[in-house]
Amino acid sequence: QQPVQSPQAVILREGEDAVINCSSSKALYSVHWYRQKHGEAPVFLMILLKGGEQKGHEKISASFNEKKQQSSLYLTASQLSYSGTYFCGTENYGGSQGNLIFGKGTKLSVKP
Amino acid sequence: DVKVTQSSRYLVKRTGEKVFLECVQDMDHENMFWYRQDPGLGLRLIYFSYDVKMKEKGDIPEGYSVSREKKERFSLILESASTNQTSMYLCASSGTVQGLYEQYFGPGTRLTVT
Repeated sequence: QQPVQSPQAVILREGEDAVINCSSSKALYSVHWYRQKHGEAPVFLMILLKGGEQKGHEKISASFNEKKQQSSLYLTASQLSYSGTYFCGTENYGGSQGNLIFGKGTKLSVKP
Repeated sequence: DVKVTQSSRYLVKRTGEKVFLECVQDMDHENMFWYRQDPGLGLRLIYFSYDVKMKEKGDIPEGYSVSREKKERFSLILESASTNQTSMYLCASSGTVQGLYEQYFGPGTRLTVT
């Protein structure tokens, strides 16, 4: 039931792009993305609803493919401040509203 | 700004002790959550509450209980702490904004059970 994130870790140079994927075996109502910097609490990035909607936050955007039951997070022209662990949280149909199931996270390291 | 606070950042307890972790939110949110975070396992839900005195088990409720007597406060209780409960504990709250439930996290409590 826990969504699967890939890759588990990625190392980038400043300015490079990355894609983080989140896949579920269950039908999804929404997907939430969070970023957690070392020693800090997770911080909300964006929510995506069914319909293939895309959202953006700074140079970070995401898509949601309801049919494939997956979401992808796109980090463009990465900056040092993008380093951290990214979590997707999925909300399933039939689940309690607002109750998310989180993936194990993807650790992103951006080097100068 | 939404604020979720937790009573302690670091806590050291002995095996068998009763442990209380407190969480307070100031946004009048209906939902509150307790997670534990362990390396390589992500965030795992222990319990959540969608209203005062209402609670539901999450994925890993064994060894834990919760209390929500007031809307703004959600407590996690370890009845008899064990070493395998050494972990980072995160509290979160969420309330609907245009039908969407964004979760706000507290800073976490790192609990060590010796």
